[in-house]
Amino acid sequence: GNSVTQMEGPVTLSEEAFLTINCTYTATGYPSLFWYVQYPGEGLQLLLKATKADDKGSNKGFEATYRKETTSFHLEKGSVQVSDSAVYFCALMPSGSARQLTFGSGTQLTVLP
Amino acid sequence: DTAVSQTPKYLVTQMGNDKSIKCEQNLGHDTMYWYKQDSKKFLKIMFSYNNKELIINETVPNRFSPKSPDKAHLNLHINSLELGDSAVYFCASSQVAGDQPQHFGDGTRLSIL
Repeated sequence: GNSVTQMEGPVTLSEEAFLTINCTYTATGYPSLFWYVQYPGEGLQLLLKATKADDKGSNKGFEATYRKETTSFHLEKGSVQVSDSAVYFCALMPSGSARQLTFGSGTQLTVLP
Repeated sequence: DTAVSQTPKYLVTQMGNDKSIKCEQNLGHDTMYWYKQDSKKFLKIMFSYNNKELIINETVPNRFSPKSPDKAHLNLHINSLELGDSAVYFCASSQVAGDQPQHFGDGTRLSIL
């Protein structure tokens, strides 16, 4: 079956530090990959996505590259801000007719001023 | 304009009661979903409806019954509430064609006393 494994949190960084949140997946075929962010008390928002190998998704200074050879989709940001504090979820959507999202366990990020 | 709206935002009730959570989307999407998020932030899909028809029904107790009166609404009714039902329930919607992302509501926090 499909699965997503994220690095365990919580992650605590100082403002302007470099962020990496690791994500690897297991799926047949060529799934689409997503990063969602959940701010406190809110629902999930799409942060970025990539639909094929070597695609790079980017948004708000965050980036992630779809690596087929390592089945990874690591999230990076060069300089985090306090406002980036949230829970980050990696997810995959399989190719084909089953459009069900499978989520990773989420990674809590706290950025300190 | 709220894209995916859920009501109520908070629901506190006693064990054994029956309750409903409503969800509406104004995005014109053809598919709607219910997710359960536990206290560790783990997200699991419960149901998915496409054009008012059930297409995903994960292993969920039959005390949970989704109802889709039209494409824009997917309500969740829960009978005989149990302590383990305490969680945040998220509604989401998407357009199935293509790799369109899912849009989430802000969640309903259900607390069972």
